[in-house]
Amino acid sequence: DIVMTQSPDSLAVSLGERATINCKSSQSVLYSSNNKNYLAWYQQKPGQPPKLLIYWASTRESGVPDRFSGSGSGTDFTLTISSLQAEDVAVYYCQQYYSTLYSFGQGTKLEIK
Amino acid sequence: EVQLVESGGGLVQPGGSLRLSCAASGFIFSTYSMNWVRQAPGKGLEWVSYISSTSTTIYYADSVKGRFTISRDNAKNSLYLQMNSLRAEDTAVYYCARLGAFSSGWRGAFDIWGQGTMVTVSS
Repeated sequence: DIVMTQSPDSLAVSLGERATINCKSSQSVLYSSNNKNYLAWYQQKPGQPPKLLIYWASTRESGVPDRFSGSGSGTDFTLTISSLQAEDVAVYYCQQYYSTLYSFGQGTKLEIK
Repeated sequence: EVQLVESGGGLVQPGGSLRLSCAASGFIFSTYSMNWVRQAPGKGLEWVSYISSTSTTIYYADSVKGRFTISRDNAKNSLYLQMNSLRAEDTAVYYCARLGAFSSGWRGAFDIWGQGTMVTVSS
C-alpha cells in the first residue's frame, strides 16, 4: 500500500501571505508510460464534504481560484496558496490514485494567523 | 445541477447490517465510476470501495473486504453499499464520490461528493 504523509499537520498563515503544504508518498506515483503523477489535492471546510482542487498533481479543477497551485513529481508534492484568503481556512488532503487502494494523507489544518 | 445525495445511515449495534444509498442527478450516471469514502469523527478520509460504470470492476479497502458490498443500479441512477458485520471502527460519515471524467480507467480523482450520511455502530 502507498502511504501518504503530509506536513505540517497544522499551519497558521497571515491573510495575503503564501501557504505551503507538503505531501510525500511512500513510493512514486509517477506513471512512466504517460509521465503523469497520480496525485490530487482536496479542500474540506467544517461540516462540508471534500472539494477537489487539483488533479494530475498540477491541473486545477474548473472553478478553483488560480491562487491554488500544485507542483512536484514522483514522491514529493506541494500545494501552494499564493495569497491566503479568509475563505481558505480548511483542512487540506492529498490523495494518490496510482494504486487501486487509493489513499489519503492525514490532512493539514490551515488557519489564519 | 450535478448532485449526489446519500441516505440510509443511522445507529446500528455491533454485528449488525445497514444499506447505504446514493442518488445521483444532473449527469449521466451510467457513464461514471463511483466510490464510497468514509470519515470517522474528527479524523481523516479513508477510501472504502470502487465500482466501475458497468459494475465489471470492483475494489475494496482491506478494512472492509468480505463485510461490505458495493453495487449500483444504472436504471435508477443509484449507488449502494451493503454493510454487514459492522464494528465500532466503522463509525463514520460515509460519502459517495464520483470518479472524474478526466480519469484514466479506475485511476482518477473524485470530482463530485455527496454531503454524506452518518453511520454509528454502538451498543
